[in-house]
Amino acid sequence: DQQVKQNSPSLSVQEGRISILNCDYTNSMFDYFLWYKKYPAEGPTFLISISSIKDKNEDGRFTVFLNKSAKHLSLHIVPSQPGDSAVYFCAASSSGSARQLTFGSGTQLTVLP
Amino acid sequence: ETGVTQTPRHLVMGMTNKKSLKCEQHLGHNAMYWYKQSAKKPLELMFVYSLEERVENNSVPSRFSPECPNSSHLFLHLHTLQPEDSALYLCASSQDAGNYGYTFGSGTRLTVV
Repeated sequence: DQQVKQNSPSLSVQEGRISILNCDYTNSMFDYFLWYKKYPAEGPTFLISISSIKDKNEDGRFTVFLNKSAKHLSLHIVPSQPGDSAVYFCAASSSGSARQLTFGSGTQLTVLP
Repeated sequence: ETGVTQTPRHLVMGMTNKKSLKCEQHLGHNAMYWYKQSAKKPLELMFVYSLEERVENNSVPSRFSPECPNSSHLFLHLHTLQPEDSALYLCASSQDAGNYGYTFGSGTRLTVV
């Protein structure tokens, strides 16, 4: 049973437009959420994170929104660039789990020029 | 260079072979992890080492045997694997498995024939 779900395996967006990647979780003990980005033949790299005490965190073109009541988070990329094309993984952890990360299955984002 | 180096990058092995995957981190972290990534599945946590002690073993078959001789090195010994074990094996490290997320290596692409 997946505790972190990314229901869209792929997403295509035109360059310059907004990309919205979604993630749902079931474990109410999760209190820290992260997004990782993965290019082919490379390991995932940390992108942005958010603590459960916040509902928004912004870093340049990337913004993560957290809706605790809906157990939902989203990553917004605006404006999208062709170099953003990658697989995006949502991950979650809880303070009681030695901060081990539980990952979603990833969403392949393709930004079209 | 991400600070976490995995070798080899690619490995093809027969079901009766014995091989080892190596991970080395140069970040001064004290927690290291093995993850398995199969196609279109979430990253699956296999093993966690904290301060060189194994603290987590997520019901991984005994044909996978981890070893952590010191805080900078992590091995995954493989023997009598099955074709379904073919996947990308990712090593990661973190400082106290804290809020900063993981640093991943580039992974070893394993094919069992």
